[in-house]
Amino acid sequence: DVKLVESGGGLVQPGGSLRLSCAASGFTFSNYWMHWVRQAPGKGLVWVSRINTDGSSTGYADSVKGRFTISRDNAKNTLFLQMNSLRPEDTAVYYCARVNGTWGQGTLVTVSS
Amino acid sequence: DFVMTQTPLSLSVTPGQPASISCKSSQSLLNSDGKTYLFWFLQKPGQSPQLLIHDVSSRFSGVPDRFSGSGSATDFTLKISRVEAEDVGVYYCMQAVHLPCTFGQGTMLEIK
Repeated sequence: DVKLVESGGGLVQPGGSLRLSCAASGFTFSNYWMHWVRQAPGKGLVWVSRINTDGSSTGYADSVKGRFTISRDNAKNTLFLQMNSLRPEDTAVYYCARVNGTWGQGTLVTVSS
Repeated sequence: DFVMTQTPLSLSVTPGQPASISCKSSQSLLNSDGKTYLFWFLQKPGQSPQLLIHDVSSRFSGVPDRFSGSGSATDFTLKISRVEAEDVGVYYCMQAVHLPCTFGQGTMLEIK
């Protein structure tokens, strides 16, 4: 059964940091490009970042460039998103996604003082 | 950025009737490898998004054949041949050819 399970969300103050993880199972993780997508409360889907199969190529939305870093550990079948200098406008549910397949259930990040 | 424009933004459809959603890109989505990385997703109420269509017209595993995708270059369409109650939710197109990847605004489908 193909599964993606995010973790690491929570409440953080503006300027703080969080590291999201996404544990993959049921498929050969190292064969797939992976993405992070976020959704603010009551809003649409917004693409955040993507990484290629071996981690050598990454891409970011302008709104997070320089603050967020995507990475992966293929030996541990895990995708990461390091989020620094967090802002209130980063508040959202963050989804890990194999866009040509399965999405995770999401993890909520709330940036507030 | 490459803008994806969906129309309409909302649809109200009688069960058994067809529905169609358009997605237009500001630039061609034909990739240098000859593929067009255009996806359609459905987000049902309270759920994560789920993949319906990849590469313009390929249905994902388990997706009913009443869903179909078509188009090329900058103009794409998702069609539902006969809407069912379980099809309610928000439909999104997404391009993954150009960075940053971009989603359409979403189209909310409700049942009459």
